[in-house]
Amino acid sequence: DIQMTQSPSSLSASVGDRVTITCQASQDIRNYLNWYQQKPGKAPKLVIFDVSNLQTGVPSRFIGSGSGTRFTLTIRSLQPEDFATYYCQQYDDLNPVTFGGGTKVEIK
Amino acid sequence: QVQLVESGGGLVKPGGSLRLSCTASGFIFSDYYMNWIRQAPGKGLEWLSYISGRGHAIYRDSVKGRFTISRDNAKNSVYLQLNNLRVEDTAVYYCARQNALFRVALDHWGQGVLVTVSS
Repeated sequence: DIQMTQSPSSLSASVGDRVTITCQASQDIRNYLNWYQQKPGKAPKLVIFDVSNLQTGVPSRFIGSGSGTRFTLTIRSLQPEDFATYYCQQYDDLNPVTFGGGTKVEIK
Repeated sequence: QVQLVESGGGLVKPGGSLRLSCTASGFIFSDYYMNWIRQAPGKGLEWLSYISGRGHAIYRDSVKGRFTISRDNAKNSVYLQLNNLRVEDTAVYYCARQNALFRVALDHWGQGVLVTVSS
């Protein structure tokens, strides 16, 4: 299985901060990398697909980048509604599709 | 608007079975791959399976042979049959739609249904 390692596992930040989350794949996954946001008790929501493509309706302060094995999700100016857990997910290898362990973004 | 509604969860004893259902609306169901993902209490997301519009399915190894995905395009529904359940299968189970044919990016999710396996 392709292992997806996210760092940090949690972070504290203030409204207006720039936040960066990293996702490292155990092998080259080309550009088959997505990001999801999940709030407590809710289903995940697709934020970015294929490294850098913003899902419809997602604010432009969310920026995805990277290639190969290292990817980042940046939130340019953190808003109150952005406090959540974020997961990366690869689908280069479908056996199986795998998610990172999650990064919890908390209010400082 | 796109909507996915799961049902069928509950409490079951180890070794038991359940059938989860996910009913879709707001899009042409047969055009989309559908996935099942689960999340154990307090844990991360685990992808389980997907099925194409025509019924081709793949699974993660740990559920192969125990879980079966299926769909009925006439009923706009996808199912997950869970057999020989184990305590470690306790989780919230989500169905989700892929946003493109060969891209496993899950753009719409159901609300989730809780499966608890306990004696």
